[in-house]
Amino acid sequence: RKEVEQDPGPFNVPEGATVAFNCTYSNSASQSFFWYRQDCRKEPKLLMSVYSSGNEDGRFTAQLNRASQYISLLIRDSKLSDSATYLCVVSTGFQKLVFGTGTRLLVSP
Amino acid sequence: EADIYQTPRYLVIGTGKKITLECSQTMGHDKMYWYQQDPGMELHLIHYSYGVNSTEKGDLSSESTVSRIRTEHFPLTLESARPSHTSQYLCASSEVGTSGTYYVSYNEQFFGPGTRLTVL
Repeated sequence: RKEVEQDPGPFNVPEGATVAFNCTYSNSASQSFFWYRQDCRKEPKLLMSVYSSGNEDGRFTAQLNRASQYISLLIRDSKLSDSATYLCVVSTGFQKLVFGTGTRLLVSP
Repeated sequence: EADIYQTPRYLVIGTGKKITLECSQTMGHDKMYWYQQDPGMELHLIHYSYGVNSTEKGDLSSESTVSRIRTEHFPLTLESARPSHTSQYLCASSEVGTSGTYYVSYNEQFFGPGTRLTVL
C-alpha cells in the first residue's frame, strides 16, 4: 500500500463547477500536510498547507481529518487556469516529504 | 518566483557516459533535495542534504551520488548512465523547519524546473 493515495482522475469539470479531491495517508505519525500543484511538464509548487482546523485561501479550502487519516481539497468556481495535477503531500519525518501520484483536473469552457 | 536553478534542462546521452546534473539556489536554504519523477508518476526522494558536507540517501534507491560542498550548490552525478536512468530529475530546497513541544513546522519546498534525462 502506498503511503499517500489519491484518485488519479482525470476529473473533467466545466468552468464554474465545484470539485473536491481526496487523499489518504497511511502513517499515523505524519506531522505536516500540503497540497502542491503541478502543471504539465513543470515543477510542483505549493498551493497550500493543510491545518487541523481547516484553512481557506480564496476559492480553495483544505481539510484534515487526523482520525481518518484523510485530507481534502475543495475548489470552488473552477477556472480554466485551475487545470493541473494536484499533489497530496505528507511529511513523515523532519524535512522529508512523501508525494501522492496526483489527481489530474481538467476544466473546460 | 523561486531562485533555484537546474542545468541542463534537457539531456540526451549514450549509455556508459558520466553525467552531472547541476542544481543551485540563491535563497540561502540549508536543506536541499533531489527527486526523480517518471511521467504520470509520483515524485520519489533519492537524495537530500541538511547542509554543507551533509548528504543522505532518500526513500528510492538510486545509483546516483550527490555532494554538498557549498550551501547553494547540490550536484547529482551518475558515473555510468543507463537507459533505466531515463527520467525527470527535480531539485528542491527549503528553509529549516521549527519544532515545538507539540508540533513540527515544515517549510515549503521550492522546486527547480527539472532536468529531463534520456539515456539511449
